[in-house]
Amino acid sequence: DTGVSQDPRHKITKRGQNVTFRCDPISEHNRLYWYRQTLGQGPEFLTYFQNEAQLEKSRLLSDRFSAERPKGSFSTLEIQRTEQGDSAMYLCASSFSGEAFFGQGTRLTVV
Amino acid sequence: AQSVTQPDIHITVSEGASLELRCNYSYGATPYLFWYVQSPGQGLQLLLKYFSGDTLVQGIKGFEAEFKRSQSSFNLRKPSVHWSDAAEYFCAVGGTMEYGNKLVFGAGTILRVKS
Repeated sequence: DTGVSQDPRHKITKRGQNVTFRCDPISEHNRLYWYRQTLGQGPEFLTYFQNEAQLEKSRLLSDRFSAERPKGSFSTLEIQRTEQGDSAMYLCASSFSGEAFFGQGTRLTVV
Repeated sequence: AQSVTQPDIHITVSEGASLELRCNYSYGATPYLFWYVQSPGQGLQLLLKYFSGDTLVQGIKGFEAEFKRSQSSFNLRKPSVHWSDAAEYFCAVGGTMEYGNKLVFGAGTILRVKS
């Protein structure tokens, strides 16, 4: 499978715990994006990497959120001290030139 | 600021009937335009895209869309809907360097197909 891969697909965590999600993009894609999608809404941009450089962060990305792409390949998104409002689908996408390909997403439920 | 409006939250069509999903956008530059489809609990699959050139674009699964600059619209169409088309459809704008290559999505239109 040469598509965008996300792990885990589902995560249930208690409020206050930290969680980390992983995204493996399509191998030749230099751009990687994280989006968040809540019920009934379209995906909202969180952050964007070109190679290993994080070029933009949305105001939606509070201090509790951090993303890395250490070698310009896979990326991780960490949420510290989770809150119930963090419950959402977290989508990763990668692109080379304009057209973004999405992974299956990680569904986070904070209880 | 960039924005995308999908005026219809839900649409129900009969199997075999034609379909049109509306999308209007606000964007400060010549946009890249996209339609994605999402099945429940799944990621987004690209149906079609417009970058430049011919304003009528063909996509997968028999879908097409027409870019109308004067109306700031990019409506999705299909001449004959199949039950398997039931899903949520998202219009998106962006992907250009002027706006950081990111996409701005509409709120989506849920398509129901009745037999």
